[in-house]
Amino acid sequence: AQKVTQAQTEISVVEKEDVTLDCVYETRDTTYYLFWYKQPPSGELVFLIRRNSFDEQNEISGRYSWNFQKSTSSFNFTITASQVVDSAVYFCALSGRLTGGGNKLTFGTGTQLKVEL
Amino acid sequence: GEEVAQTPKHLVRGEGQKAKLYCAPIKGHSYVFWYQQVLKNEFKFLISFQNENVFDETGMPKERFSAKCLPNSPCSLEIQATKLEDSAVYFCASSQFTRSNEQFFGPGTRLTVL
Repeated sequence: AQKVTQAQTEISVVEKEDVTLDCVYETRDTTYYLFWYKQPPSGELVFLIRRNSFDEQNEISGRYSWNFQKSTSSFNFTITASQVVDSAVYFCALSGRLTGGGNKLTFGTGTQLKVEL
Repeated sequence: GEEVAQTPKHLVRGEGQKAKLYCAPIKGHSYVFWYQQVLKNEFKFLISFQNENVFDETGMPKERFSAKCLPNSPCSLEIQATKLEDSAVYFCASSQFTRSNEQFFGPGTRLTVL
């Protein structure tokens, strides 16, 4: 069975603060993929990052960075110098390996991030 | 197309009526997924297809829900005799036949059952 836990239901920060969103996962697969998606108030799901289980290098993309630690089964997401436009619900998701691309995503329950002026 | 398209954007049905949702995956993608998002936070996997074949239907309610992906047609998700608890946003996603498992999501269909 697979499980994703996002313990932070809601986080409020003031603009320009740094914020970290936590994600802890459980899986029996030896090869798996982790994702972060953003869901702004408009409702669509925006893909942010994919990480496979063999690549533990941290990644930075502009103000976004991700810390993947297999030892603690965590895949945390940090926004540096947050902006009001970052206000959204952020979902962490996990898929296991089967042949090809047909793996369903298991989502966490999301973290609502509110960035205020 | 370059994006996953879903129609309609909104659908309102009276309890007991049928609802049919459509999804056009990205051209060249072999896999289609349906997810149900209830209460803004909970995503539930419903079913996936590899081309026109059901790949994984472990999330589909046994009764009332059915889905198809036929060649040269949008995929569809149909709910017979809708219930209040079917009110949700239904997302369709597609992915290419790769090992990266990256799924691209459509904008969703909001179903309201009154």
